[in-house]
Formats: sequence, structure tokens, C-alpha cells
Amino acid sequence: KNEVEQSPQNLTAQEGEFITINCSYSVGISALHWLQQHPGGGIVSLFMLSSGKKKHGRLIATINIQEKHSSLHITASHPRDSAVYICAPQGETSGSRLTFGEGTQLTVNP
Amino acid sequence: NAGVMQNPRHLVRRRGQEARLRCSPMKGHSHVYWYRQLPEEGLKFMVYLQKENIIDESGMPKERFSAEFPKEGPSILRIQQVVRGDSAAYFCASSQSGPRYGYTFGSGTRLTVV
Repeated sequence: KNEVEQSPQNLTAQEGEFITINCSYSVGISALHWLQQHPGGGIVSLFMLSSGKKKHGRLIATINIQEKHSSLHITASHPRDSAVYICAPQGETSGSRLTFGEGTQLTVNP
Repeated sequence: NAGVMQNPRHLVRRRGQEARLRCSPMKGHSHVYWYRQLPEEGLKFMVYLQKENIIDESGMPKERFSAEFPKEGPSILRIQQVVRGDSAAYFCASSQSGPRYGYTFGSGTRLTVV
């Protein structure tokens, strides 16, 4: 079993829809990162959170430490949100390293 | 204040040659991390460095790969005698005071071994 499970692997939505991407992990963590990767492009760090909820524009990230689960939500989705979204827990004992989910490929159609 | 700068963006090497990938962290950041993304695979940790020190290299292949972060200048990821399986995107990230303070990622270097 992978340490990090993301769902869905692929997601297609119509512009304006509310999007949810889920992440479950099996290790203890000190924080969890949500990353965005565009095709052929670099990686952008969207959120780093260790509890509760964070909001940035149309993006919202939540985490439940007890349930070892995090979600990334996109409100009023737009074609420019099309990208791969990656969940990356940061271990308690592993210190520096991030462990990465396989990513969720999001396509938002106009 | 430029972000994390990686160069080159694209690098083509023949089998057996050496590849040198450079990463200049954000100004004021003294912690550098290298990650590798193989084709159709997820990101994997390689190495974590502070100035002049390797903190964690548990993700680095034991042979042909090395990394350094000298007192002056960028961090270098060096791959000797490259093979086709080394073809991947190599990403660098930096942070100010260690991993608990968040990361800034570079745009990556895409290495192609022909």
C-alpha cells in the first residue's frame, strides 16, 4: 500500500464547477503540502498546513490529522486551473523529505 | 527577489557523459532539496543540503550521483556516466530555515540521455 493515496487520479470538470481532490496518508506527519504542476512546467507550492483549513483565493485546503486525510477544493473552477495537483505529506521523523502522491490530473473545460 | 533558479532548463547528454544541474536558492534560503520525477511517475526525494553540508541523502542512488552546496555559488547535482534511465525532470526547492518553513520550487531541469 502506498504511503500517500490521492483520488481521483483524473478529473474532468466544466468551468464553474466545484472541485474536490482527496489525499489519504498512512504516516505521522509534521505538515502537508499541496503542489500544482502545469504540463512541462515547474511546481508551485499552493499550501502548507498542519491543522485546520487554509484559503487562498478560490483554493481551500483542509486537513484532519486524526483521520490522516486532506482535501483540496477549487471553487468556481476555470480552464486555467487545469494542471496536476500533488499531495505531499512531510513526515514527523523523516524531517526534510516530502513523500508525494501520484497526483490528480485536473482538466477544466470551458 | 528572484525565485529558485535552475539551469539549464533542458539538458541533452549522450550515454556515458556527465550531467551537471545547477540550483540557486531564493535569496536568504540556506536549505536546498533535490527531487526527481521520472517519466510517467511521481516525484521522489533525492537529497537535502545546507550550506557545505549534506543533511539527508537517503534518496540518492549510491553510484554516479553526487550533490553539493558550497559556501559560495549554487547547489550542484552531478550525474556521472549518464544512462538512459537517468532521463527525468530534476527539481530543486529551497527554504529559509528548514523544511518546517515551507518550500519554493524551481522550474526544473529536464535531462534527456540519448
